[in-house]
Amino acid sequence: GENVEQHPSTLSVQEGDSAVIKCTYSDSASNYFPWYKQELGKRPQLIIDIRSNVGEKKDQRIAVTLNKTAKHFSLHITETQPEDSAVYFCAAVIIYGQNFVFGPGTRLSVLP
Amino acid sequence: GAGVSQSPSNKVTEKGKDVELRCDPISGHTALYWYRQRLGQGLEFLIYFQGNSAPDKSGLPSDRFSAERTGESVSTLTIQRTQQEDSAVYLCASSPRTSGETQYFGPGTRLLVL
Repeated sequence: GENVEQHPSTLSVQEGDSAVIKCTYSDSASNYFPWYKQELGKRPQLIIDIRSNVGEKKDQRIAVTLNKTAKHFSLHITETQPEDSAVYFCAAVIIYGQNFVFGPGTRLSVLP
Repeated sequence: GAGVSQSPSNKVTEKGKDVELRCDPISGHTALYWYRQRLGQGLEFLIYFQGNSAPDKSGLPSDRFSAERTGESVSTLTIQRTQQEDSAVYLCASSPRTSGETQYFGPGTRLLVL
């Protein structure tokens, strides 16, 4: 089955700097890659996603890149702000498959 | 419209008791997922319902765990003979059609087994 690894497990950056979180997956059939943000004590919420026919997607300060050949995808947050502090989860999914497989999460701390 | 709701929001029980957790998905969403999240940990997949298909139970950690869903509506997750290691937040999520769609998470049920 699918296996998703995520690095780093924790990340601290200064406010205004960029943050990058990387995920790798094992199943080449995966074709949908969402990212979820979970603030302390709250539910996970989708922040951005990418499908396998696209190499990059951007939404304001957030971008995701996908390298299908290498089977990895990354989340990029620019101009980080304290409110970006949260746990971020990546996932690899086979559309019309059975279940999401989430990475273990990255705890991002943005220091003022 | 209303989002995914879960009840109870918190549950404290004694070891050995049974508990039942409820999830109300967004109306019209055919896919429903249950996850377990231990403190400071990631999302552990438990079970997946898709329409009238047989559920994917591959994530259930033991036979003490079971889940039901009536059609495309409410789902209940039952934990029998609870153990302390069952203490966690149980999250439910729904999505419109398939696993290729955004998942919308409920607020979770925080279970504490004493």
